Amino acid sequence: NAGVMQNPRHLVRRRGQEARLRCSPMKGHSHVYWYRQLPEEGLKFMVYLQKENIIDESGMPKERFSAEFPKEGPSILRIQQVVRGDSAAYFCASSVLAGDSYNEQFFGPGTRLTVL
Amino acid sequence: AQTVTQSQPEMSVQEAETVTLSCTYDTSESDYYLFWYKQPPSRQMILVIRQEAYKQQNATENRFSVNFQKAAKSFSLKISDSQLGDAAMYFCAYRSSTGANSKLTFGKGITLSVRP
Repeated sequence: NAGVMQNPRHLVRRRGQEARLRCSPMKGHSHVYWYRQLPEEGLKFMVYLQKENIIDESGMPKERFSAEFPKEGPSILRIQQVVRGDSAAYFCASSVLAGDSYNEQFFGPGTRLTVL
Repeated sequence: AQTVTQSQPEMSVQEAETVTLSCTYDTSESDYYLFWYKQPPSRQMILVIRQEAYKQQNATENRFSVNFQKAAKSFSLKISDSQLGDAAMYFCAYRSSTGANSKLTFGKGITLSVRP
């Protein structure tokens, strides 16, 4: 059973370009979480999605950032008009369920975004 | 809002010795989960151990154990018989037990080095 897949692993963009980060959850997982890790910092929650629904986007910047998790295909984190401050590692995690019972979040290897 | 604090940025331990990593948190909830994650240089997030707040017994996983003090909101990780492969960043994390709040809240992390 393959783990959480993220691609690309490394992404370089110039200021003003768009960045698209992809996350394929583990097989059978319908919940996806995106986190951002700035240099020398812990991971910060961005958004939580189920298939076709955004459940919690309290950590998403108000502008330029969007996320989706379509019925078919991977979850996409999209950053428009990137700026240098967007340079970070972006991690995706997936879980089987949420609910009141414990459901471990399994992390992907991350995408390191560098904005020149 | 919940917060997680790791006040020690770095620690060092001699191989085969024991080290304790500290973590405190703040929450108004009575039921939640606490975690320690390991992030080696590969950046892959690896779950080390978890603790359910309703359980009084401290969690253990082989050489890893926790000291969970609910009243003090303290959650430290003890690594026994330290190995060179334990060198990594360690993050303490909190998660509410209610499904609508499934996000993980991380501390800033601590860099652990192991001396041969």
